[in-house]
Amino acid sequence: AQRVTQPEKLLSVFKGAPVELKCNYSYSGSPELFWYVQYSRQRLQLLLRHISRESIKGFTADLNKGETSFHLKKPFAQEEDSAMYYCAQSGGSYIPTFGRGTSLIVHP
Amino acid sequence: DGGITQSPKYLFRKEGQNVTLSCEQNLNHDAMYWYRQDPGQGLRLIYYSQIVNDFQKGDIAEGYSVSREKKESFPLTVTSAQKNPTAFYLCASSIDSLGETGELFFGEGSRLTVL
Repeated sequence: AQRVTQPEKLLSVFKGAPVELKCNYSYSGSPELFWYVQYSRQRLQLLLRHISRESIKGFTADLNKGETSFHLKKPFAQEEDSAMYYCAQSGGSYIPTFGRGTSLIVHP
Repeated sequence: DGGITQSPKYLFRKEGQNVTLSCEQNLNHDAMYWYRQDPGQGLRLIYYSQIVNDFQKGDIAEGYSVSREKKESFPLTVTSAQKNPTAFYLCASSIDSLGETGELFFGEGSRLTVL
């Protein structure tokens, strides 16, 4: 079965510090990887996907097939980045599977 | 205003009662999904539907039922057989479950509390 692992339940940093939210996946084929974000009192929404290779709100994520990882990074965290982040993959079945989520708190 | 609408936002139910959560989308998406979101457990798939009049069980389908009679609607019934129904339920849709983007669009969720 497909599995997405986010090892950190909570990540707490200060404003301006670098951030890395970890994500490992299990699908051995050519997965499609995503990061979704849920800000307080807002609906879950797509942050970025690996096929687009773009930076959104300063966040980037690189797919590392050797390590089966898709870590989310930002060089300088902002307070407005505080949110719940979910890594997701869709593989052969194309049904998205989500990780348990990481709560990011950015302190002023 | 396009998007996914879930109702009700909050729902209270007595033990032994069935309850139906509504999910409507006007995005013309083929695929729709129901997830359950619990603290520390992420999103777990209950049911999904790739096309009208067809749906499949997800990872935690026991105690739940769905229907997909119309493309825009995918209601979820939480039955009395569901042992731990108190949770936050999220409905989502995607253009096509076999589409390349795979992006899901989510509703605002429905919080069910069993008293």
